[in-house]
Amino acid sequence: AQSVTQLGSHVSVSEGALVLLRCNYSSSVPPYLFWYVQYPNQGLQLLLKYTTGATLVKGINGFEAEFKKSETSFHLTKPSAHMSDAAEYFCAVSEAQAGTALIFGKGTTLSVSS
Amino acid sequence: GAVVSQHPSWVICKSGTSVKIECRSLDFQATTMFWYRQFPKQSLMLMATSNEGSKATYEQGVEKDKFLINHASLTLSTLTVTSAHPEDSSFYICSARGLGGRGTEAFFGQGTRLTVV
Repeated sequence: AQSVTQLGSHVSVSEGALVLLRCNYSSSVPPYLFWYVQYPNQGLQLLLKYTTGATLVKGINGFEAEFKKSETSFHLTKPSAHMSDAAEYFCAVSEAQAGTALIFGKGTTLSVSS
Repeated sequence: GAVVSQHPSWVICKSGTSVKIECRSLDFQATTMFWYRQFPKQSLMLMATSNEGSKATYEQGVEKDKFLINHASLTLSTLTVTSAHPEDSSFYICSARGLGGRGTEAFFGQGTRLTVV
């Protein structure tokens, strides 16, 4: 079975500060890993994904994440936070096999203050 | 990315009635579709997985007779909440995965806010 743990249900940063959202996963098979952002009453928007290959993945809006197999981690970072980054962030894991569902972490609310 | 359209985006219904939510993949063949439920301030909980032409596989604790899922074609899946009650009020989100390049991620609909009064 696969699972995701997001450390910190709420992260607060100042505008311009580094954003770090933590995600650890558990998987018995090589995982696909994802970060999604959700704004209130909206669906999910994919920020980035890791499938195979380069372990440092760059996504949209300046976000990036690094797959570290030895640490079973896939932390999300952004060098400089913007007010518009305030949202709910979900880390998810799935198997590589087509037809398998994404399993989500509990989410982290990011607040950005001016 | 691929487009998944979910309809309606919000619905209010009376207790005891049934509500159908549609999920369409607009530009790819969705061999597998998933339905999630999300309570306020919480994560997405997988309800069921459906493959085109097959019966859906429900997660433990999800009532299959209450949440009817149909995946009759490669572009359409429906979730029907039967005899809805206020506790069924929630945000429902569908997602779809295809084959090949469309299978490396799941594409999500915009969600449906269901309120049962």
